[in-house]
Amino acid sequence: DQQVKQNSPSLSVQEGRISILNCDYTNSMFDYFLWYKKYPAEGPTFLISISSIKDKNEDGRFTVFLNKSAKHLSLHIVPSQPGDSAVYFCAAGAQGAQKLVFGQGTRLTINP
Amino acid sequence: DTEVTQTPKHLVMGMTNKKSLKCEQHMGHRAMYWYKQKAKKPPELMFVYSYEKLSINESVPSRFSPECPNSSLLNLHLHALQPEDSALYLCASSQAGGNNYGYTFGSGTRLTVV
Repeated sequence: DQQVKQNSPSLSVQEGRISILNCDYTNSMFDYFLWYKKYPAEGPTFLISISSIKDKNEDGRFTVFLNKSAKHLSLHIVPSQPGDSAVYFCAAGAQGAQKLVFGQGTRLTINP
Repeated sequence: DTEVTQTPKHLVMGMTNKKSLKCEQHMGHRAMYWYKQKAKKPPELMFVYSYEKLSINESVPSRFSPECPNSSLLNLHLHALQPEDSALYLCASSQAGGNNYGYTFGSGTRLTVV
């Protein structure tokens, strides 16, 4: 039972344009959500998070949107830069549960 | 210090060997985690330690044995592993009691069982 799904295994975007990565979840107990970025041979790096009491959180070029009724969140990167090329994981958890459930990841490639 | 350090970075072991993976953090985090990641799959939780006590074991086979000697160190002892246990093993830490701060992950140990 895959509780967190990233249906696009890969995404290719031109430098300077907007990258939109999507994530869907099924467990209504999840109340916070995170995005991680992973380069090859490195561990995932925390990017941005959002609590279920919000529908948007912004940090520089990164914005996460949460649609609770649709159980959907998205990560927007604008403008996209070559250094953004990596695998992006969506993760979800419930307060105090000490456990994050990760999506399959989306490989983002930014083309010059 | 804002890092989680894992050693070794790479490990090749035979099915009869005993080895240990080590993880260290000095951020004052009181929750530490072991995750396993196979190729093209998401990280999967194995164990959680909270205040040096094992709080979650995700039905991991006993050939994996975690240990938390103190608040900064987390070990994963390996014995009689199978080739299908080959994977990237990730350690992470966070402030205990809530995950909305996000984990800090180490770079992982790439384990190959031959």
